[in-house]
Amino acid sequence: RKEVEQDPGPFNVPEGATVAFNCTYSNSASQSFFWYRQDCRKEPKLLMSVYSSGNEDGRFTAQLNRASQYISLLIRDSKLSDSATYLCVVSPLKAAGNKLTFGGGTRVLVKP
Amino acid sequence: DAGITQSPRYKITETGRQVTLMCHQTWSHSYMFWYRQDLGHGLRLIYYSAAADITDKGEVPDGYVVSRSKTENFPLTLESATRSQTSVYFCASSDIFSGAQETQYFGPGTRLLVL
Repeated sequence: RKEVEQDPGPFNVPEGATVAFNCTYSNSASQSFFWYRQDCRKEPKLLMSVYSSGNEDGRFTAQLNRASQYISLLIRDSKLSDSATYLCVVSPLKAAGNKLTFGGGTRVLVKP
Repeated sequence: DAGITQSPRYKITETGRQVTLMCHQTWSHSYMFWYRQDLGHGLRLIYYSAAADITDKGEVPDGYVVSRSKTENFPLTLESATRSQTSVYFCASSDIFSGAQETQYFGPGTRLLVL
């Protein structure tokens, strides 16, 4: 079983719609959680950290469910520019240099 | 602000050859990382470094060697390239002293093809 699992998609989303997807992690000792975004043939970039209480950044909302060991990402009012692969990332530590474990990514395609 | 750069961006080599991928960051970040990204596996950590002269193995270190004589550079060497090392290689860095200390910043990647 992979440490971090994601539905690879693609999620085909009409422009302006809402899309949500989850990722599950197997290490109950995980302390830090993130969503990274990766555009085609580009490097991953941090989208947002995920906190226990849930957090929002503009049209993006992330939630953490420690009991069920999953995190979620919701995108509201989808834009064409939101088309990308979203990587779920977890770490057992809360510190710089922590070894991140990446999920395989969920591909999102926003269409006009 | 150059950030983090990788060279070469594309490389074709043959089985058995030694290849070195370069990574350079201008932020003086303490931590540096090498990942490989393959279809079906996502990003996997090869080696990482907490500071100059301090390196440690990640998930998939076999066949790779790293060094870090200077804080800003973290080269990755494939001692004898194999076809299974065909991949996209990303270097990343993070800094224990920055406010966003958990963030890893990635370079643009090196696409390596081993024939």
